[in-house]
Amino acid sequence: GAVVSQHPSWVICKSGTSVKIECRSLDFQATTMFWYRQFPKQSLMLMATSNEGSKATYEQGVEKDKFLINHASLTLSTLTVTSAHPEDSSFYICSARGGVFGSWLFHNEQFFGPGTRLTVL
Amino acid sequence: KNQVEQSPQSLIILEGKNCTLQCNYTVSPFSNLRWYKQDTGRGPVSLTIMTFSENTKSNGRYTATLDADTKQSSLHITASQLSDSASYICVVNPSGGYQKVTFGTGTKLQVIP
Repeated sequence: GAVVSQHPSWVICKSGTSVKIECRSLDFQATTMFWYRQFPKQSLMLMATSNEGSKATYEQGVEKDKFLINHASLTLSTLTVTSAHPEDSSFYICSARGGVFGSWLFHNEQFFGPGTRLTVL
Repeated sequence: KNQVEQSPQSLIILEGKNCTLQCNYTVSPFSNLRWYKQDTGRGPVSLTIMTFSENTKSNGRYTATLDADTKQSSLHITASQLSDSASYICVVNPSGGYQKVTFGTGTKLQVIP
């Protein structure tokens, strides 16, 4: 249980285009989803926290108009990189935290997706 | 400022050997600590999760220890296999509601034949 999927697993796009990445919790309801970015040989960097039905909370230095996050349901959050540029090329990972129905540990655990490799040419 | 430091940054060991990875944290108040394994180009996968009252927890060849007094944790890998080659990340979750977790920078482990 507690599986999180991401789609696509990799994407190559031209500079200036927009790319949408989906994050789904497959077998549980996630009240909170997180979006991370990871550059080579670096740790995960939190970009934003997204709660179902409300606006995402962005970390300092992350442009909310560039990285649009929509968390429309308890099982789906999307990250749209608008007007992508080569410096946006990175590994994007989402995670989902379990809802109120579950054990304490499940309630606090973050389950990570497999990641999406974005390459902007 | 909450911090999680891991050592060593990288490690190369021979297949079949044991190794121990270290994690020191300053996160307070503390709720739980997790070790994740991240294969290259993949998302992190949870290995163990330990709460304040737990001192040791095993998951197959992985054994994690926690000393909440000194704020140190270790991950011991027994009889390493080539498939153990990955980054191992220590993640500390503070208590007191939905606060942000703090990620360590990871230890890159390479197991060679």
